[in-house]
Amino acid sequence: EVQLVESGGEVVQPGESVRLSCAASGFSFSSYSMNWVRQAPGKGLEWVSYISSGSGSIYYADSVKGRFTVSRDNAKSSLYLQMSSLRDEDTAVYYCARPYCSGGSCYSRSAFDIWGQGTVVTVSS
Amino acid sequence: QSALTQSPSASGSPGQSVTISCIGTSSDVGDYNYVSWYQQHPGKAPKLMIYEVTKRPSGVPDRFSGSRSGNTASLTVSGLQAEDEADYYCSSYADSNNLVFGGGTKLTVL
Repeated sequence: EVQLVESGGEVVQPGESVRLSCAASGFSFSSYSMNWVRQAPGKGLEWVSYISSGSGSIYYADSVKGRFTVSRDNAKSSLYLQMSSLRDEDTAVYYCARPYCSGGSCYSRSAFDIWGQGTVVTVSS
Repeated sequence: QSALTQSPSASGSPGQSVTISCIGTSSDVGDYNYVSWYQQHPGKAPKLMIYEVTKRPSGVPDRFSGSRSGNTASLTVSGLQAEDEADYYCSSYADSNNLVFGGGTKLTVL
């Protein structure tokens, strides 16, 4: 079964750091780029970061640039998000998401068909 | 990069059709064929319903269809069913390697 499982979410104070993990199984993780998407309580979805299959291309939303770092370990089929200088507005459910692939094409930057269950990060003093 | 604009709510009776709009700009919806739509039930992860403006992933009922006119993308749900009641989000690839989402539309089946 194709599966993504996030972990690492916790309650932290503003200015602190958290590292999220996303464990992949059931597919060839090293062949796929990956994304992080978050959802604040009662709010919509917000794209956070993208990393290519070999880590050669990395992009961030302006709202997290300079504070968050995405990485991956293909040998461990794992994706990570190091979050630092956390703010109240970073409170959200964080999802890792795999792009949809069909007919030899993968929509790496635009369409995600496999999502984890999400992990909750709460930033509060 | 600003979020795409969606109406907060939409509704329809079982069997009817409803269309949800997603307004972007010439830097996202209007410039790239990479508009997607997601369905999200409460407490669940999003589910991909439409990609590349009009295409359906395998397993998505053909009651769901996507279209675009200029900077506005639309999702139409035909033959509404009770299980279609959910939040729907559009997204688009955007300039400078960004991906933007809409604020979401809550679809109520009356």
